Amino acid sequence: AQTVTQSQPEMSVQEAETVTLSCTYDTSESDYYLFWYKQPPSRQMILVIRQEAYKQQNATENRFSVNFQKAAKSFSLKISDSQLGDAAMYFCARYNFNKFYFGSGTKLNVKP
Amino acid sequence: ETGVTQTPRHLVMGMTNKKSLKCEQHLGHNAMYWYKQSAKKPLELMFVYSLEERVENNSVPSRFSPECPNSSHLFLHLHTLQPEDSALYLCASSQVGWDTGTGNVRLNTEAFFGQGTRLTVV
Repeated sequence: AQTVTQSQPEMSVQEAETVTLSCTYDTSESDYYLFWYKQPPSRQMILVIRQEAYKQQNATENRFSVNFQKAAKSFSLKISDSQLGDAAMYFCARYNFNKFYFGSGTKLNVKP
Repeated sequence: ETGVTQTPRHLVMGMTNKKSLKCEQHLGHNAMYWYKQSAKKPLELMFVYSLEERVENNSVPSRFSPECPNSSHLFLHLHTLQPEDSALYLCASSQVGWDTGTGNVRLNTEAFFGQGTRLTVV
């Protein structure tokens, strides 16, 4: 099955602290791409970070970084120094065979 | 205009109506996608047009019909919908190519999304 699982429907973090969102996926392929997307209330899905499966080094984008464990099929997102603007739905996604597969999302609340 | 634009933003239709959703991308991409987003569920891929090939999710009912007249435009034609079809419909585009080494589709960009059409079927 080509599934992406996000086991945390909702999480909360204090402003300026660090939070980690979990994602696992299922694929029999060795070549694929992984993503984290953010969807604020405006509904626009915005790319947060991207990882190609053949790259062993974990991707980072400013305060956002991933922990990619290929053997475990795990792809978690760490947000450091959380800001109020980080509050949104976060979706984990995988691409292969011409398709993007998405998880059900994690709602992140940021407390001031 | 830049990015991916979807119209209309909101649509209310009766079960006997026929309507169409429109998506336009100004990014020069060669792949376009329709997704259905329902609360607390994974985004459901409905249709893909990529490298002049149409890929569809076999579980999508025939009351949804896609059309992709060119690489910049994508439509979703709706007829005799049911209340359970009420959802946010998202369009996305990306740039893909062929990996000549593996023969697989290679993704050159991430998916860029429109703001969606909120559809309510009454």
